[in-house]
Amino acid sequence: ETGVTQTPRHLVMGMTNKKSLKCEQHLGHNAMYWYKQSAKKPLELMFVYNFKEQTENNSVPSRFSPECPNSSHLFLHLHTLQPEDSALYLCASSQEAGGPLNEQFFGPGTRLTVL
Amino acid sequence: ILNVEQSPQSLHVQEGDSTNFTCSFPSSNFYALHWYRWETAKSPEALFVMTLNGDEKKKGRISATLNTKEGYSYLYIKGSQPEDSATYLCAFSGGSNYKLTFGKGTLLTVNP
Repeated sequence: ETGVTQTPRHLVMGMTNKKSLKCEQHLGHNAMYWYKQSAKKPLELMFVYNFKEQTENNSVPSRFSPECPNSSHLFLHLHTLQPEDSALYLCASSQEAGGPLNEQFFGPGTRLTVL
Repeated sequence: ILNVEQSPQSLHVQEGDSTNFTCSFPSSNFYALHWYRWETAKSPEALFVMTLNGDEKKKGRISATLNTKEGYSYLYIKGSQPEDSATYLCAFSGGSNYKLTFGKGTLLTVNP
């Protein structure tokens, strides 16, 4: 157990649906991250929140909308997704974003399929 | 654009074999090199964070070395066991913003 949980673990949605992914960390960390892993590609950073403030948006399309209501919770709101958005979405947390060691702890991911 | 390369992409070994794989990364503006172990359907689990050139870290049968001047790290597994089967990811932290840039991973399968 890494102390980072994600729900749901699997999600199938149509292109017109709206859904949300949830991440919770029990580590007392101040930074949280969303990553995307597509087939045959490395983990790609999507968003970073540090002390509830978004500090990074890695050119992510607006159909992905993150929300960080407090340092322990992170959401990814999804709407009008495309089939190519099907991927594994991983959440991570660290003590603080921007530190040189920046050791990140990961959740198990949500496997998203867009039909 | 930072490039982190891992080789081989996949590897099959027999139980009891020792094995190693490579992570290469930019040698400039280096801060840290991370190794993660990722079993299917589970969370990536941190193995090592390495910062110093020449550093060597060990955790049970797994060890890692770091060469920041030439930009590579090796991960070694001694006497592989089926439970070592996983994807091993490395991630480079450097440049001006300390973000982690990941390689694609090496998928290790240990056959009993």
